[in-house]
Amino acid sequence: SQKIEQNSEALNIQEGKTATLTCNYTNYSPAYLQWYRQDPGRGPVFLLLIRENEKEKRKERLKVTFDTTLKQSLFHITASQPADSATYLCARPSGSSNTGKLIFGQGTTLQVKP
Amino acid sequence: DGGITQSPKYLFRKEGQNVTLSCEQNLNHDAMYWYRQDPGQGLRLIYYSQIVNDFQKGDIAEGYSVSREKKESFPLTVTSAQKNPTAFYLCASSLRQGAPGELFFGEGSRLTVL
Repeated sequence: SQKIEQNSEALNIQEGKTATLTCNYTNYSPAYLQWYRQDPGRGPVFLLLIRENEKEKRKERLKVTFDTTLKQSLFHITASQPADSATYLCARPSGSSNTGKLIFGQGTTLQVKP
Repeated sequence: DGGITQSPKYLFRKEGQNVTLSCEQNLNHDAMYWYRQDPGQGLRLIYYSQIVNDFQKGDIAEGYSVSREKKESFPLTVTSAQKNPTAFYLCASSLRQGAPGELFFGEGSRLTVL
């Protein structure tokens, strides 16, 4: 079955450093991967979508990569700030990419210390 | 402002009672979803709907029921048959089925069984 695995251990980094979060998937490569941010007690908020044929995608201080050989996506936050502290979720489509259903990882909690 | 509204935000239920969680969207999205989130676990899909008067079971549909009588509304009923209903419930929508677009989430409803 398809799975999405994220490092369940919290990531603690110092303000100004680059945070790197990992998302590993099983079975065939999905047509795309999505990344969301979730604050405690709130709903997730969409950040980025990267397609299978895109190696890298950027949005302001965020960068996502998609490595189909390693079956992995990396999520980077450069010049991290305490306000970036949150849980970050990775998601892939479930089954056929046209169903709209997503499978989510358990998320990685990032803590940026001032 | 467009968005998804879930209510109530907090709900307490006695064992044996059915409860209904409300989800309303004014984004004119075709597809709507219900996810359940437990501590340390990824979001798990309960039910989803692509169009009015049609819905499909997700991965953990047992003990839940839904309806989609209007495009804007997708209520979830947690029945007494759900053995472990205490969880954080998230409603989401996407523009249309088949498009690899983002999910828009509500703020969630936290259900506690006493």
